[in-house]
Amino acid sequence: QLVLTQSPSASASLGASVKLTCTLSSGHSSYAIAWHQQQPEKGPRYLMKLNSDGSHSKGDGIPDRFSGSSSGAERYLTISSLQSEDEADYYCQTWGTGIYVFGTGTKVTVL
Amino acid sequence: QVQLVQSGSELKKPGASVKVSCKASGYTFTSYAMNWVRQAPGQGLEWMGWINTNTGNPTYAQGFTGRFVFSLDTSVSTAYLQICSLKAEDTAVYYCARDTGPFDYWGQGTLVTVSS
Repeated sequence: QLVLTQSPSASASLGASVKLTCTLSSGHSSYAIAWHQQQPEKGPRYLMKLNSDGSHSKGDGIPDRFSGSSSGAERYLTISSLQSEDEADYYCQTWGTGIYVFGTGTKVTVL
Repeated sequence: QVQLVQSGSELKKPGASVKVSCKASGYTFTSYAMNWVRQAPGQGLEWMGWINTNTGNPTYAQGFTGRFVFSLDTSVSTAYLQICSLKAEDTAVYYCARDTGPFDYWGQGTLVTVSS
């Protein structure tokens, strides 16, 4: 079964970095994922597609502060130079044949 | 630029129906599938299914069969989500999202509130 696992929360200070993890279920370590940001009271915003080899392509207008990397079944989103507007929920998403799956989301708090 | 613009908030009574629209612009509507995603209050994102914008063939995720209907009007580049026999637990924000594998563009969301 295709499942994505995310930690519920993460925090870091203004100007620091934070690294979020999304883990693919067993047997699915080659899958690409996408990262989406949802700021409070707003709709989701596509950040990037992240492949198993760590290569990634960002959505329109996504700042360089957002980067992605991969290791095995884990997919990472690193946010550098944290800003107040980065306080949001971050969801990973993957897809298979006729199925799409979201992780449960990680709430990022900027201290 | 690509935009998905959804219809406004709806307040419905239990048992009624609602139809949410998602108008696409800035790209060829039939080149990409359209997905629907539900977000219940305080909850995460839940994939509802997708519709092939070429054939109109819908695919529904588990838990979204029977009362949920996806449709299209390609002449106005618009996708629709209809929910019949509304229940209180259908109260949520519903999003459309363009499908390129990842969902690369999202509508702004439509809040559907079901209350007597």
